[in-house]
Amino acid sequence: QVQLQESGPGLVKPSGTLSLTCAVSGGSISSSNWWTWVRQPPGKGLEWIGQIYHSDLTHYNPSLKSRVTMSVDKSKNQFSLNLTSVTAADTAVYYCARWVGPSSFFDFWGPGILVTVSS
Amino acid sequence: DIVLTQSPLSLPVTPGEPASMSCRSSESLLHRNGYTYVDWYLQKPGQSPQLLIYLGSNRAPGVPDRFSGSGSGTDFTLTISRVEAEDVGVYYCMQALQVPRGFGPGTRLEIK
Repeated sequence: QVQLQESGPGLVKPSGTLSLTCAVSGGSISSSNWWTWVRQPPGKGLEWIGQIYHSDLTHYNPSLKSRVTMSVDKSKNQFSLNLTSVTAADTAVYYCARWVGPSSFFDFWGPGILVTVSS
Repeated sequence: DIVLTQSPLSLPVTPGEPASMSCRSSESLLHRNGYTYVDWYLQKPGQSPQLLIYLGSNRAPGVPDRFSGSGSGTDFTLTISRVEAEDVGVYYCMQALQVPRGFGPGTRLEIK
């Protein structure tokens, strides 16, 4: 059973950088899956941020592309999200999830981490 | 980008009764390979989303058979044959055809 766990600061100052890590257990990050970040502002719906393959191939949401960077650390079996120049609008629960490409769905999700942007 | 809309946004249902909700896409989600790339997820209160249906009509492992997905092209439906109390939450459709992935705004199912 694959498990995902997000970690990182729960509070980020405006104009700062949001940095999160998703640790993968029970499976290899080098498997043939895409590793994804999704966020959910309080009381609102889900927004796809982007995805990364173990080869460092990435796709980002155009609405965030100028501020987003994702990376993979194969030695630690984890992947990361950096979001720069944050504002209060970036306050959300951030989820990491595994995307199964051929069948096209998210099969495993982390529990999510609330990140608040505030001074 | 593909935009998804869902209706109704709120769905009160009596336990044991059926329920259905709609998802409409701004573009066809039918791939040339014949598969329709729409998924359905349920987000129960305080939890992460969980997969119910993939490729339009395939139930995920462990999902009760009272859940079914149907539709084609741009119009899709999730049906629950007999609602149970544990089915409360927000149901999201998602297009899996292309990046960026996109979710609908969700249908909140509540028990009467």
